[in-house]
Formats: sequence, structure tokens, C-alpha cells
Amino acid sequence: EDKVVQSPLSLVVHEGDTVTLNCSYEVTNFRSLLWYKQEKKAPTFLFMLTSSGIEKKSGRLSSILDKKELFSILNITATQTGDSAVYLCAPRAYSGAGSYQLTFGKGTKLSVIP
Amino acid sequence: EPEVTQTPSHQVTQMGQEVILRCVPISNHLYFYWYRQILGQKVEFLVSFYNNEISEKSEIFDDQFSVERPDGSNFTLKIRSTKLEDSAMYFCASSSLGGDGNTIYFGEGSWLTVV
Repeated sequence: EDKVVQSPLSLVVHEGDTVTLNCSYEVTNFRSLLWYKQEKKAPTFLFMLTSSGIEKKSGRLSSILDKKELFSILNITATQTGDSAVYLCAPRAYSGAGSYQLTFGKGTKLSVIP
Repeated sequence: EPEVTQTPSHQVTQMGQEVILRCVPISNHLYFYWYRQILGQKVEFLVSFYNNEISEKSEIFDDQFSVERPDGSNFTLKIRSTKLEDSAMYFCASSSLGGDGNTIYFGEGSWLTVV
């Protein structure tokens, strides 16, 4: 059975801190890994990682994938209160007949306090 | 920025009633999905849909569930006879292509409460 483990489950930091969110996965027919930010409702796309060791950056956020060790990290520098959300890791696997499927972790709930 | 839209945002229904959740995927997207998230739990895959047919479904997606693309823009999820355990947030999603390398965009969700 496919497994996605995110850690920590919950994190409280002060504004300006740097955080690292972890995601380890065991997924059959792995193809890529997506990170989403979920504030109140819809998961909002952050990154898609397909290659090992290549860091993707978007402002204060960055992410990297290690396909050998089967994990990914999401870094947020100089955190702001607006970064407070649940961060979801979702490996994508090929499930046959041209179909791909996301498997979500439970998420890391980040709370940034002023 | 184009977005996936869903209606209703919240629906309360009695057990045993039929429910239809509606979605308008991003206009040039060809692959459509339904996911659900029971309160406090993970987001779970239900079904993917391409070329007017189901391409993949999970074990959650039993005979009580069906999907349809009734016209060129809408994508619906029907639950035939709702159960208490169907209470969840249902997310519609779409992608331009189904292959790897294509981002899946999610709607705001429809919160279903079965009483």
C-alpha cells in the first residue's frame, strides 16, 4: 500500500523563523511529487518536483526531491503570518492506462505567530 | 488566473437522499478528478475522468457514486443514497493533460454534511 508520511504534523514558529517540512514516501510507480498549501479550503499548488537534487524556488519557498532516499523537503524562510496553513505533500504515481494518481500525506500544520 | 469552481460550497442533506456536486473545471483542461477529505483526515482520491469516461477510481468510489460530464463545461459527482460517513469536503480538480508533469488544480471544495 502506498504510504506518505509528513513531519512534523504540527509546528508553531515566530515570524521571521525558517522552517523545514519533511515528506517521505513509498509509492509504487512514482513519477513526481507535488506540494500544496491548504489554508481554509482548496489545496493551492506550490511546486512539482520530478528530478532528484534540483531545487525549485518561489520567493521564500523552496523544495527539493531525493528519489533515492524517497523524500522531499519544503523550506520556508523568513516566515510570515500569511504562511500559516496546512502543507500537503502528494506523490504522483502512474496507475496504468495513461492514468496518474496523487496520494496525499496528512499534512503539516504550520502556525506562524507574530 | 483560471480556476476550478464548485457548487454548492456547503450542502446539508438527510441520510438516504441523493446529492449532486457540481464543478466547472478550467476551460482548456481535459482531465478531471474528484477527491474528498473527511474532517481531520487526509485528502483521498475518488475518481479520474477523461474523454467522457472514468479512467481510474479508488475503492471508495463504489456503486453509490457516479460522475458525469453533462455538457462542455460541467463535471458532476452524484452520490445516490448518502450515508453519514459520506460527510466530507469534496474537491474537484482538473489538469490540462493526464500525464506526469502536469499540475493538478483544485477547486474550493463542496462541504457535504449528511444528517
